[in-house]
Amino acid sequence: EVQLVESGGGLVQPGRSLRLSCTASGFTFGDYAMSWVRQAPGKGLEWVGFIRSKAYGGTTEYAASVKGRFTISRDDSKSIAYLQMNSLKTEDTAVYYCTGSGSYFPAFDIWGQGTMVTVSS
Amino acid sequence: QSALTQPASVSGSPGQSITISCTGTSSDVGSYNLVSWYQQHPGKAPKLMIYEVSKRPSGVSNRFSGSKSGNTASLTISGLQAEDEADYYCCSYAGSSTRLYVFGTGTKVTVL
Repeated sequence: EVQLVESGGGLVQPGRSLRLSCTASGFTFGDYAMSWVRQAPGKGLEWVGFIRSKAYGGTTEYAASVKGRFTISRDDSKSIAYLQMNSLKTEDTAVYYCTGSGSYFPAFDIWGQGTMVTVSS
Repeated sequence: QSALTQPASVSGSPGQSITISCTGTSSDVGSYNLVSWYQQHPGKAPKLMIYEVSKRPSGVSNRFSGSKSGNTASLTISGLQAEDEADYYCCSYAGSSTRLYVFGTGTKVTVL
């Protein structure tokens, strides 16, 4: 079964850090570009960032709202993507989805179930 | 980071057809044939319904179709069914480093 499972969410104070993990199974993870997409409570979807597959350099891109604070990385040997979030703000509160773009690139054809991140004092 | 504009809500009776619009600019929707559509039921992850403007992934019903004209993309659901009641989001590849993808504002589809 093709699957992405996020973990690492929780409650964190403003200014602190948190790292999310996304574990893949059922497909060739290394062939996929990976993105993180978030959804604030009751709001729409927002693209957060993207990491290319190693075949395309493994480089990253970030939304302006998180650039310089968030970092995406990947470990193809473990089929895991990471989202390191530093200097968190209350407006970063959201469900964070891990997504994969492969079969229908650049569309997001695989989604995780999401993990909630709450930034509050 | 301006989102693509979608109507907040669209409704229809079972069996009818509805169309959801998605308006962007010449920097996103108008520049790329890389618009995708996602269906999201409450409390669930989004699901890819349409990619590259009008193509359906394997397993998606042919009642869903997509098109584009200029800076506006559209999703049409034919033969509306109760299970189609959900939120729908368009998304366009936008090509910029800090704006690689842009999502629409979302549309709530209600089956009357």
